[in-house]
Amino acid sequence: DAMVIQNPRYQVTQFGKPVTLSCSQTLNHNVMYWYQQKSSQAPKLLFHYYDKDFNNEADTPDNFQSRRPNTSFCFLDIRSPGLGDAAMYLCATSRDLGSPRPQHFGDGTRLSIL
Amino acid sequence: EDQVTQSPEALRLQEGESSSLNCSYTVSGLRGLFWYRQDPGKGPEFLFTLYSAGEEKEKERLKATLTKKESFLHITAPKPEDSATYLCAVQAIEQGAQKLVFGQGTRLTINP
Repeated sequence: DAMVIQNPRYQVTQFGKPVTLSCSQTLNHNVMYWYQQKSSQAPKLLFHYYDKDFNNEADTPDNFQSRRPNTSFCFLDIRSPGLGDAAMYLCATSRDLGSPRPQHFGDGTRLSIL
Repeated sequence: EDQVTQSPEALRLQEGESSSLNCSYTVSGLRGLFWYRQDPGKGPEFLFTLYSAGEEKEKERLKATLTKKESFLHITAPKPEDSATYLCAVQAIEQGAQKLVFGQGTRLTINP
């Protein structure tokens, strides 16, 4: 089945220690998104890639970066995680930007900061 | 600013007890409204897309409807496996096609 896969499912890191979360997709979708979701809150968009074009949300901290080396993979890098960055990080894809198509989500990576 | 408000925050029902979840939105130009189901520790699972007022979509025990100001997710004769958080999201014209604005969700519990 075509899907969005996130690894790892659970990640523990130390305060200030860089961490990378990964996402892969077999849907061959042009757009990939990263969301942050804290407990009992709505998912919050951090940024997205349309093909290789990167689009950052205005309120996304500089601490968060992303890479998309090819169509299938996208990475979220947190350069110096703080305690407030503990959350579920969700990756999503959509076919394109031109029409209101649904986004397809992975099962997320739950990040804990010690 | 575009906003999505879902109510109630939490809802407990007995198995077979039908009810409705509400999603109110304020956007200047709606491109689409989406309903998702999210189980604990998992990502949102797509349920429905609604594009214009008057539109309805159905899937098993769920039916989604849309007006110019709100959407309802009706659940008929729910079963315990329908327990989940239901998220509503809108895509607005002025924000560009890529951005979804999510509501906080309704946490639904169906007791056997």
